[in-house]
Amino acid sequence: ILNVEQSPQSLHVQEGDSTNFTCSFPSSNFYALHWYRWETAKSPEALFVMTLNGDEKKKGRISATLNTKEGYSYLYIKGSQPEDSATYLCGRNTGTASKLTFGTGTRLQVTL
Amino acid sequence: DVKVTQSSRYLVKRTGEKVFLECVQDMDHENMFWYRQDPGLGLRLIYFSYDVKMKEKGDIPEGYSVSREKKERFSLILESASTNQTSMYLCASSPLGVGGSRNEQFFGPGTRLTVL
Repeated sequence: ILNVEQSPQSLHVQEGDSTNFTCSFPSSNFYALHWYRWETAKSPEALFVMTLNGDEKKKGRISATLNTKEGYSYLYIKGSQPEDSATYLCGRNTGTASKLTFGTGTRLQVTL
Repeated sequence: DVKVTQSSRYLVKRTGEKVFLECVQDMDHENMFWYRQDPGLGLRLIYFSYDVKMKEKGDIPEGYSVSREKKERFSLILESASTNQTSMYLCASSPLGVGGSRNEQFFGPGTRLTVL
């Protein structure tokens, strides 16, 4: 992996479904992995900043895991709600200043 | 609450015009960033600054310059706007603080720039 990659590109689920997305990144020179949620017409907001291999973080129905050795992070949403509809971005930091390299995002749409 | 504001939500300019995009943050953050977001390409870093008068190029600095004369304000300048600079521009800031470069970034609402 040369860059930060996110999959799938988009996802359409029904209310109540659980879902997950993947962020893959180069495992070398790892410093931190950020997850952001970006709702339409709003600013991106941070969900998690993860730093250690094996990290698991949770905020309400959303959780994330990190594997720095193999270079991936999973974001899980349990029981999706329409208000979870957003683009989810991950960004990798290599410790050089505070620069982040972002993936192209996963666009989630949750319908009733 | 941290607040990052951008001078305009929507802007329409003509090719060749000099364009200024302003960003102000109110939480005394050391780091400030300018990104552009294009469909299928995600957020790409144009320039960032870690202190007043300090700047560093990001991944796509060509055609842009920046200015940081005061800690709270970071300006993006398009010297001679071109149609391929039509995009959504996002400003962000983050503290240097305890977490260092692991600190989350706080984003502004974005400016959608159209260059005709």
